[in-house]
Amino acid sequence: GAGVSQSPSNKVTEKGKDVELRCDPISGHTALYWYRQSLGQGLEFLIYFQGNSAPDKSGLPSDRFSAERTGGSVSTLTIQRTQQEDSAVYLCASSLIPVWAGGSRDTGELFFGEGSRLTVL
Amino acid sequence: DAKTTQPNSMESNEEEPVHLPCNHSTISGTDYIHWYRQLPSQGPEYVIHGLTSNVNNRMASLAIAEDRKSSTLILHRATLRDAAVYYCILSQGAGSYQLTFGKGTKLSVIP
Repeated sequence: GAGVSQSPSNKVTEKGKDVELRCDPISGHTALYWYRQSLGQGLEFLIYFQGNSAPDKSGLPSDRFSAERTGGSVSTLTIQRTQQEDSAVYLCASSLIPVWAGGSRDTGELFFGEGSRLTVL
Repeated sequence: DAKTTQPNSMESNEEEPVHLPCNHSTISGTDYIHWYRQLPSQGPEYVIHGLTSNVNNRMASLAIAEDRKSSTLILHRATLRDAAVYYCILSQGAGSYQLTFGKGTKLSVIP
C-alpha cells in the first residue's frame, strides 16, 4: 500500500505480558515517529528515528518501552511487562524529510498510520 | 516550551466557513505552525503549515497574525467530512524534531 501500515490493528493482552507493535513507513521516508494516544487525550510523543542517526528516545515513559528500526525501514515498538496504564492507541508516522522545528529549512509533513489499539487486561 | 491554546470545541453549519483559532503567545522566531486533524478512529492527517506568511492549499488556509502570537485555520466551506479534532502545533524548539499534540478543537458540522 501507499500509506503507513501498522499491525496489529488491535491487541488484547494480559498484564505482565510483552507486546510488539509493527510499523511499515512509506517507502523512501527517512523519518519515523511513534506516538501514543490514551482515550480522550492528545498524542504523546514516544520516539523518533532519522536515517542512521541515534534515535531520540526522550518520550519513552519507562525502560519497559523500547523501539528499533531495521534497515532504515520497518520499526518495532516493544512494551515489556505490560501494565494497564499502557492501554492506548499507538500511532506511527513517517515523513520524507524531518519535521524541522527551527531554522530556515522547510519542514516535512507527517503521514500517520491508523494505529494499533492496545488493551491490557 | 512553546505551547498552544485552542477552544475545546466548536460548531459550524454545513457549507459555511469555519475559523479555528489558536493562540501561541510564547512562540519563538523560528517555530513553524502546523495544523493536523484527526477524524474518528483514524490517525491524524496533515492540513497545513506556515512560518510567517499566510498559506493556502486545497484543504484550507492558514492566517498568521503579524506578531505570530496567534493563527487561524480557515475551512472555506465546511462539509460533514470535516468533522474532526483539529490540532494546532508548534515545534519544541530549535534542534528538535518533536511535534507536541495537545487536545485540539473538536469541530462538529451541523447539516
